[in-house]
Order: sequence, then structure tokens, then C-alpha cells
Amino acid sequence: QSALTQPASVSGSPGQSITISCTGTSSDIGAYNYVSWYQHHPGKAPKLMMYDVSTRPSGVSRRFSGSKSGNTASLTISGLQAEDEADYYCSSYSSSSTRYVFGTGTTVTVL
Amino acid sequence: QVQLQESGPRLVKPSETLSLSCTVSGGSISGDYWSWIRQSPGKGLEWIGFTHYSGNADYNPSLESRAAFSVDMAKNQFSLDLISVTAADTALYFCARRFCSGTSCIFDFWGQGIPVTVSS
Repeated sequence: QSALTQPASVSGSPGQSITISCTGTSSDIGAYNYVSWYQHHPGKAPKLMMYDVSTRPSGVSRRFSGSKSGNTASLTISGLQAEDEADYYCSSYSSSSTRYVFGTGTTVTVL
Repeated sequence: QVQLQESGPRLVKPSETLSLSCTVSGGSISGDYWSWIRQSPGKGLEWIGFTHYSGNADYNPSLESRAAFSVDMAKNQFSLDLISVTAADTALYFCARRFCSGTSCIFDFWGQGIPVTVSS
């Protein structure tokens, strides 16, 4: 059972910016700056896109940025491209016995 | 570049044991923590737990009574056994490396996932 809430889908036209939200609680997102984001193209291995809220791993486009406010984290994709069409999942460390919680997932569609 | 590949049966009967393995290439299995994560149909991701070659392990409390990990250093492989499965265990199962820098931990390398269906 997923603990973090994401919108089921977000869409945008090429070149536009979109933001994916990820809402948790004061036990996970609100308590730690350990939010990460993963991109998943079906049939492929998920890819780490952001960690520690706003740190991009080497090789990830600067079009991706992350932020957090209270119990909600966000991933923004600017200059949307066709290759960005994928499922995106957030994750956070949690003080509960379920140490790592994930989001419900968001399907990004490029119109 | 570390690569992971899941393997195992894709169909398991109810009440039986689901057994999956994850082969690690491009790096040694020792020194790191290795995780299992699953995605049930229409749902998000669920952390199952992680294991270390030393035997140290941690499990999602919701699965702890039914899950067990093991590590085979010779094969550079780690495994998941999930007993007494039901249809609710039908999912896409991923293995991943958990990498920590200080107190910050991430799942930085993943396998492609293996779909497992529980059905008679």
C-alpha cells in the first residue's frame, strides 16, 4: 500500500513545463530532506532522476528540478520533450517501520 | 556501471512460495545493500526490504512474516523468497541497489523487473 500521493496523470505540450506533486506526511516528506524521484519507461529499469529533494544525479538533464514545501515534494520538468513521456515515482525515507515509502505514480504524457 | 537482472518463475500457485533471484554485474555484491521493490497492478511501488552480504536485513513490516532474503556471493546474486502467496502478491518485482552517502540513501540502480502472477 503506497504512502505518498501523486496525481495519476499530468500532460503537456513539447516545450512546456509541468510539475508533479507528491504528498506525504510529517513522518516522511515533512520530516526529512530525503525525497527522490524515479522515471520508469515500461519494460526498462527505473532511473533515478532526483535525490535529496533537489539534487540531480550526474547525467540527468537540467530540465529536471525538485523542491519541497511542508509535506509535499514536487518534480518540475521544463522544456518538455517526447522522451520525457514515462511514469514517475517519488520516494521518501520514513520514520515509520516502513523505512522507505513510494508514491502512487504519475504518468506523464507529451501531447 | 552496475546492472541488475531479475529471474525466476513468472507464475506461482496460491499458497506456494515465490522465489526470485537478482544477478548483479559490473560490481561486487559485497559492501552494498540490495533491495526488492514491487509494483502491484494499478498501484504504486512498495518497498519489500533490503539485505546485505553480512546477513543484515530489514523488511517492510507488512511482509516481514512471509519474506526472506539470501545472498550468494559466489554467484554475485541475491534472492527473495515470499511464502504463502495470494493473488495480492501478483506484481512486477524489481531488484535495486540501495546506496547511502551519510544518512542519505537512494535506489540508484534497478533491474528491469519481472512480472509474477499468482494464480492456480
